[in-house]
Amino acid sequence: QKEVEQNSGPLSVPEGAIASLNCTYSDRGSQSFFWYRQYSGKSPELIMSIYSNGDKEDGRFTAQLNKASQYVSLLIRDSQPSDSATYLCAVNNAGNMLTFGGGTRLMVKP
Amino acid sequence: EAQVTQNPRYLITVTGKKLTVTCSQNMNHEYMSWYRQDPGLGLRQIYYSMNVEVTDKGDVPEGYKVSRKEKRNFPLILESPSPNQTSLYFCASSLWAFGQGQGEKLFFGSGTQLSVL
Repeated sequence: QKEVEQNSGPLSVPEGAIASLNCTYSDRGSQSFFWYRQYSGKSPELIMSIYSNGDKEDGRFTAQLNKASQYVSLLIRDSQPSDSATYLCAVNNAGNMLTFGGGTRLMVKP
Repeated sequence: EAQVTQNPRYLITVTGKKLTVTCSQNMNHEYMSWYRQDPGLGLRQIYYSMNVEVTDKGDVPEGYKVSRKEKRNFPLILESPSPNQTSLYFCASSLWAFGQGQGEKLFFGSGTQLSVL
């Protein structure tokens, strides 16, 4: 069973701080990596995708991928209360399926 | 407006009574998929479809059926629902399947909260 693991949280950070969310995956053949955000009672929405080792930045969000260590992380700079949500890590392992982690609940306190 | 439409939003049924959850997308996407979301277990893939008449099992297909007779529609069928199928269900679509870059963004429907008594 291919697995994607996340700490369920909640991860609590003060407004303006950097939130760091981590994800590990078991399949070394994984090729595509995604971060989805899900507000309570809503459907997931894609915020970042990353395909190669290193950092990818998009506004306040930075995705980091390390295939050798099999982890992917998401950094949120200048965290805002509106960033409070569950963040889902998702991994594609070269097949036609996407495997999601259980999600990390982030709370940004004013 | 580009969207994935799921119906119904809420459904309460009894064990063994066949039901269908509809899913439709208006973006001409090739790839469609069904997920269930349970507390602590995240999203688990039930079935997916690469294109019309092409469907395949995900991680948790037992007790479910799907069909893809038209590109825009991908209904989920529970022929004999059981209480362990009580869950939040999401339909999703993307331009194409994975491994091809930019078209991999999944668009999700609003979800269907199913309770089987």
